Amino acid sequence: AQTVTQSQPEMSVQEAETVTLSCTYDTSESDYYLFWYKQPPSRQMILVIRQEAYKQQNATENRFSVNFQKAAKSFSLKISDSQLGDAAMYFCAYRRLNSGYSTLTFGKGTMLLVSP
Amino acid sequence: ETGVTQSPTHLIKTRGQQVTLRCSSQSGHNTVSWYQQALGQGPQFIFQYYREEENGRGNFPPRFSGLQFPNYSSELNVNALELDDSALYLCASRTSPDNNEQFFGPGTRLTVL
Repeated sequence: AQTVTQSQPEMSVQEAETVTLSCTYDTSESDYYLFWYKQPPSRQMILVIRQEAYKQQNATENRFSVNFQKAAKSFSLKISDSQLGDAAMYFCAYRRLNSGYSTLTFGKGTMLLVSP
Repeated sequence: ETGVTQSPTHLIKTRGQQVTLRCSSQSGHNTVSWYQQALGQGPQFIFQYYREEENGRGNFPPRFSGLQFPNYSSELNVNALELDDSALYLCASRTSPDNNEQFFGPGTRLTVL
């Protein structure tokens, strides 16, 4: 079974600074997807960024980028130029490739606090 | 906004009762998944429906059941509620089971007393 581990229950960052959230996972599969989701107080889970394991290039979405280390099974999220609106719970998630009903396996989350 | 809505927002039930939670997906989204998110935890997959048939289930007992309707709405039913069923229940919809882009609703907070 796949597992996703987020070892940082809480992280703090000041506005305009950069923060990195860590995620490790365990799988015997060679092809899969990895995701970072944001869950603000409104509770609605929002996709931040996605990485396909077969792609060596790290995904980037504006201020959000990942450091994907396949051999180490590590998938960290870097948030640059942090904004107050980035404050939320962040979840790392895994999904098998080409699995019709494939579910997302989530970590326990990291609460990101952003101070002015 | 993701276009996915859930009702009710909050719900309080007592142990042993039954509950029905509802989800309304975007038009064209024929796949819906339900997740249970206990306090301080990440969401856990309950089951998925595709074209009104259950086509995947996580490690949840049969007292968790669902329905999906042709109008892109769906239900999660839980019988014989237990205290540990207290959680946020999320639905997520997408256009097909293979599509990675799924849209989550805001969830229903269920409290079992």
